Amino acid sequence: AQKITQTQPGMFVQEKEAVTLDCTYDTSDPSYGLFWYKQPSSGEMIFLIYQGSYDQQNATEGRYSLNFQKARKSANLVISASQLGDSAMYFCAMTRGPDKLIFGTGTRLQVFP
Amino acid sequence: GAVVSQHPSWVICKSGTSVKIECRSLDFQATTMFWYRQFPKQSLMLMATSNEGSKATYEQGVEKDKFLINHASLTLSTLTVTSAHPEDSSFYICSARKQGNNEQFFGPGTRLTVL
Repeated sequence: AQKITQTQPGMFVQEKEAVTLDCTYDTSDPSYGLFWYKQPSSGEMIFLIYQGSYDQQNATEGRYSLNFQKARKSANLVISASQLGDSAMYFCAMTRGPDKLIFGTGTRLQVFP
Repeated sequence: GAVVSQHPSWVICKSGTSVKIECRSLDFQATTMFWYRQFPKQSLMLMATSNEGSKATYEQGVEKDKFLINHASLTLSTLTVTSAHPEDSSFYICSARKQGNNEQFFGPGTRLTVL
């Protein structure tokens, strides 16, 4: 069965510093996708970054990068130069089958000045 | 862009009443829409997958007679919580997938409170 694990319920980081949010997964599917979403207190899910299982390079989107280690089944999100507006819940997600998503339990990131 | 809207954004209702939540893809056609439920401080849990013109597929443990889903067009899916009870109080989020695209575009969510 597929599973997504986020072991950090909460993280603190100082403004302008980098932070890594951990995500490990388990799947028997040969092809899968990994996503990171940000959920601010307002509740909407904001797509951040996507990594396909066959992608050779780690995905990057601006200040976000995904450290994909396939052998270790990890897909950590790295946020560089943290900003106060980055404070939110962050969810790692993985495809289940052709179109469904399963989510991890989330990590609450707090950026302090 | 790919914008998904939900209506209403919040609703308070009495126990025993039914509540309908709409999910619309505003600038694209969504062959598949998904309904999630998120309890406070918890993750999103998929409730059902809604395909245009066909019956929804429900996840294990989700009562299809309680959570009625209709996907009448390529831009609209509705979730009706029938005979709502306080334990149905939750944040309901829909997402829509473009044909041929892996990404799901999420709506802003609907907060349901059942008194």
